[in-house]
Amino acid sequence: NAGVTQTPKFRILKIGQSMTLQCTQDMNHNYMYWYRQDPGMGLKLIYYSVGAGITDKGEVPNGYNVSRSTTEDFPLRLELAAPSQTSVYFCASSYSSGTYEQFFGPGTRLTVL
Amino acid sequence: AQTVTQSQPEMSVQEAETVTLSCTYDTSESDYYLFWYKQPPSRQMILVIRQEAYKQQNATENRFSVNFQKAAKSFSLKISDSQLGDAAMYFCAISGTYKYIFGTGTRLKVLA
Repeated sequence: NAGVTQTPKFRILKIGQSMTLQCTQDMNHNYMYWYRQDPGMGLKLIYYSVGAGITDKGEVPNGYNVSRSTTEDFPLRLELAAPSQTSVYFCASSYSSGTYEQFFGPGTRLTVL
Repeated sequence: AQTVTQSQPEMSVQEAETVTLSCTYDTSESDYYLFWYKQPPSRQMILVIRQEAYKQQNATENRFSVNFQKAAKSFSLKISDSQLGDAAMYFCAISGTYKYIFGTGTRLKVLA
């Protein structure tokens, strides 16, 4: 099992550009999450999904979009990148609801200049 | 709304000594779980220990144990016989339905 994989590992964007952060899990988990981690801070939930075709907003969804067409994939789309979106992005998955351990990907470091 | 507070931004411990990291939380949910995650310099988040709120017995995993005080809404992590590999950011988290809320983290330094 590869677990949760994320691509790319690093990316530099110019203001106004768009990109998609990829996330794939091979554990057949229903629940998937996207977080951002700003320097010296904890994780803030951006979006989550409880199954294919179902997504919902977290604490900080503005400027992002997600889709969940399959159980395995949960891409995060950044439209019109802004410097405030400079952060490390983590994807995570879990078997079921919040009683279960989350498995995290290695993160994507994004810089918007 | 659920909140998690870690009041110690940084802690230091001598190798082989014991250290306790603090965490307090607030929730209106009756059924929830509490977690401690470790984030080493590699950035990979690793589960250290998990506590089920309805269980009074404190969870233990090898050198890691928790002191769970439900009435006080406190969930501290004790690391015994600290090792250099324990140096990392430690995050406390609470879960409810669907979501997890994380604290701001405590950076643990282990001194040789």
